Amino acid sequence: GENVEQHPSTLSVQEGDSAVIKCTYSDSASNYFPWYKQELGKGPQLIIDIRSNVGEKKDQRIAVTLNKTAKHFSLHITETQPEDSAVYFCAAFEPTGYSTLTFGKGTMLLVSP
Amino acid sequence: NAGVTQTPKFRVLKTGQSMTLLCAQDMNHEYMYWYRQDPGMGLRLIHYSVGEGTTAKGEVPDGYNVSRLKKQNFLLGLESAAPSQTSVYFCASRLRTDTQYFGPGTRLTVL
Repeated sequence: GENVEQHPSTLSVQEGDSAVIKCTYSDSASNYFPWYKQELGKGPQLIIDIRSNVGEKKDQRIAVTLNKTAKHFSLHITETQPEDSAVYFCAAFEPTGYSTLTFGKGTMLLVSP
Repeated sequence: NAGVTQTPKFRVLKTGQSMTLLCAQDMNHEYMYWYRQDPGMGLRLIHYSVGEGTTAKGEVPDGYNVSRLKKQNFLLGLESAAPSQTSVYFCASRLRTDTQYFGPGTRLTVL
């Protein structure tokens, strides 16, 4: 089955800095890669996603890049704000097997004012 | 449109007690999932369903049972709770497309 590795486990930045979270996946059949943000006491919320036929996608301050050859994808947050502080999860969707998402273990992002 | 809802939000059980967690979605989604979230472990799949009347085991199914008698509901049961089942439980659902939506979670403590 799919295996997703996520780094770093914690990331501290100053407000206004950029933050980058990286994930690798193992199954070349995976074709969809979402990123979720989870605030304390809440369920994960989708913030951006990318499909395997696209190399990069951007939505305001958030961007995701995908390198299919190397089997890795990254989340980039620019001009970070304190409200960006949360746990971020990457995931990979494998269209066989469980037909669901396999998640990384998460990155706790702390943005200091 | 409430999305994915979960009942209850919190629960404390004693070892050996049973309970059922309810997940409901109003988006007419075919696929539904139950995950558990533990510190440092990410989200692990317990059971899932690809349609009304169907269920299947995920990564960590032992000690849990599920049922999907109606398309909009997915129930997770613990027949004899154990302290190792202390966790936060999340339900999720999706259509045939890939976007998966999560509920707000149920925090379960087993003493």
